Amino acid sequence: EIVMTQSPATLSVPPGERATLSCRASQSIRNDLAWYQQKPGQPPRLLIYGASTRATGIPDRFSGSGSGTDFTLTISSLQSEDSAVYFCQQYNNWPPATFGQGTKVEIK
Amino acid sequence: EEQLVESGGQLVQPGGSLRLSCEVSGFTLSNYAMIWVRQAPGKGLEWISYSNSGSTVKHYADSVKGRFTISRDNAKSSLYLHMNSLRLEDTATYYCVRGRPGPYMDVWGKGTTVTVSS
Repeated sequence: EIVMTQSPATLSVPPGERATLSCRASQSIRNDLAWYQQKPGQPPRLLIYGASTRATGIPDRFSGSGSGTDFTLTISSLQSEDSAVYFCQQYNNWPPATFGQGTKVEIK
Repeated sequence: EEQLVESGGQLVQPGGSLRLSCEVSGFTLSNYAMIWVRQAPGKGLEWISYSNSGSTVKHYADSVKGRFTISRDNAKSSLYLHMNSLRLEDTATYYCVRGRPGPYMDVWGKGTTVTVSS
């Protein structure tokens, strides 16, 4: 089973600043990685798939990069509505399709 | 608009059984793989079951293998999760999710809550 490790656990960023979230896979997953955003009391929402392709309707301040084992989700200019938990998920070697433990983004 | 609506979650005793349903609208169920994902209170996401579009390929997480069964009725636009021998650790919100090639997951339901407790 591929283990996904996200860092940091919590990220506090002022509005308008850049937020950088990391996700590392225990072995190469090529670019078979998705990012999801989850706000309190809501289901997750797909942000990015294929490591760097934004899902439909996702603002361009969200971008994904990386391949192999190291991936990054960047929020270029943090907005108040971006306060949420962000999960990465690999789908290269499955089942199971494993998730990271999440990074909580707070607005400072 | 694509929608998934789960139902069937409730309080159940350990060892009990439950069937979760997911009714989809806005797209044709038979064209898509479908997945169940769960989230224990205050915890992360756990992928638990997958069905390809034709229901010929099914996968399960080790934590539920042999106890849970995924099925679908494409004519009713419905996905199901049959849950047997429920344990305390199965307590979670269960999400029905549409799968895209990979599979990654692009449309999520709001979830239904299962509580296993005596």
